Amino acid sequence: EIVLTQSPGTLSLSPGERATLSCRASQYVSSDYLAWFQQRPGQAPRLLISGASSRATGIPDRFSGSGSGTDFTLTVSRLEPEDFAVYYCQQYASSPTTFGQGTKLEIK
Amino acid sequence: QVQLVQSGSELKKPGASVKVSCKASGYTFRNYLLNWVRQVPGQGLEWMGWINTNNGNPTYAQGFTGRFVFSLDPSVSTAYLQISSLRAEDTAVYYCARELYCDNDKCYTIDNWGQGTLVTVSS
Repeated sequence: EIVLTQSPGTLSLSPGERATLSCRASQYVSSDYLAWFQQRPGQAPRLLISGASSRATGIPDRFSGSGSGTDFTLTVSRLEPEDFAVYYCQQYASSPTTFGQGTKLEIK
Repeated sequence: QVQLVQSGSELKKPGASVKVSCKASGYTFRNYLLNWVRQVPGQGLEWMGWINTNNGNPTYAQGFTGRFVFSLDPSVSTAYLQISSLRAEDTAVYYCARELYCDNDKCYTIDNWGQGTLVTVSS
């Protein structure tokens, strides 16, 4: 199975700053079948990005995804207070689908 | 609007069974498969498997065979997760999550999640 490793584990930033989250796959992720989810405390995950770079419906354009192959990035251009949460990457190129261990974005 | 509404929290004793429901609304039930995902408190997301909403055929991830059963009642657009012989390590939030079936040249990921059901196993 494809193992996804996210870094950093925790990212401490202030509102208004730029956040860059990384997701590295142990094998090539074909067709860029890589997604990003946001999970706020006590809530279900929410789809942000699919296909490595396509924003889901209703997701603000400050969220962007990039990368291909084995290295992917989620960027939040200007952090809003509601963006402080845990972020997971997921590959759905091969079964079983797998998730990264998460990056916690916390307020500095 | 699309909704996946799950049943409420459960407190069970070791050895008991639990059945979690996931009722879909706001879309055509058979057009999306349903995944089940586990999240142990304070930990990450773990895919348990999925069920085909057209024929009820389940697929289980490694580690979720034997005690875990996925089922459907399409007449009420509801999927179920049953866990038997509960253990303390089954304590987790269980999510259902819908996903479009792959078509000829494209696959999709989860686009909507239930609110989660906390199952606590404790004596």
